[in-house]
Amino acid sequence: GEDVEQSLFLSVREGDSSVINCTYTDSSSTYLYWYKQEPGAGLQLLTYIFSNMDMKQDQRLTVLLNKKDKHLSLRIADTQTGDSAIYFCAEIPAGGYNKLIFGAGTRLAVHP
Amino acid sequence: DGGITQSPKYLFRKEGQNVTLSCEQNLNHDAMYWYRQDPGQGLRLIYYSQIVNDFQKGDIAEGYSVSREKKESFPLTVTSAQKNPTAFYLCASSMKASSNSPLHFGNGTRLTVT
Repeated sequence: GEDVEQSLFLSVREGDSSVINCTYTDSSSTYLYWYKQEPGAGLQLLTYIFSNMDMKQDQRLTVLLNKKDKHLSLRIADTQTGDSAIYFCAEIPAGGYNKLIFGAGTRLAVHP
Repeated sequence: DGGITQSPKYLFRKEGQNVTLSCEQNLNHDAMYWYRQDPGQGLRLIYYSQIVNDFQKGDIAEGYSVSREKKESFPLTVTSAQKNPTAFYLCASSMKASSNSPLHFGNGTRLTVT
C-alpha cells in the first residue's frame, strides 16, 4: 500500500542545520514534494524532486533522495526562527493523477 | 495576484446542518482538489476534479459532495452524513492533473461543528 512516514518533532538551535527525514513505500513514485505549513495557514510548496535525481539544491534547501531505501530528506542550512513550521513530505504514486499521499508532518521548532 | 481563495477562514455550524465551503482560483488551473487535515495527521484527499463538469472521489468522500460548474470554482459541501466534520479543510489546484504539476494550496477553512 501507499504510505509516507515522518518523525513528528524536531528541535534545532538557530543557525544550525535541520534535517527532516521521510520514508515512502511506493517505489514507482515519480515526484516527491516538500511542503511547509505555518500556523493556521495553507501549505506552501518548498521544493520537489523527480525520482531520477539524487539531489536538488535551492538556496538554503537541499533535498536528498535514496531510491533504494525509499528515503527522502530535506536539509535546511542556517535555520532561522522563521523556519519554524510543520514540514510535509508527499509522494505521487505512479498513475496517481496528482493524488498526493502526505506524511503526518514534522513540526520544526527553532530556538535561540 | 494569482492564487487560491478559500472562504470563510472560520466556520461554525450546528450538528445536522449542511455547510458549503468556497474555493476560487484565478490561476487558470485545470485541476482542483479538496483535502482534510486533522491534528497530527497528514492531509487526506476528499474529492478532486481534473476538468470542468467532472470530479472523482478521493479516499474519504463519504459525507461530502462537490460541484465543478466553472473552471475557477470548486465548492465543497459537508453534509449532515459526515460523522466527524470538525477539521481544517484545504483546497488546492494544479495546472494539469498530471504528476509533474505541483499543487498550490489555499489558506484553508477551519470548520467547527457542535
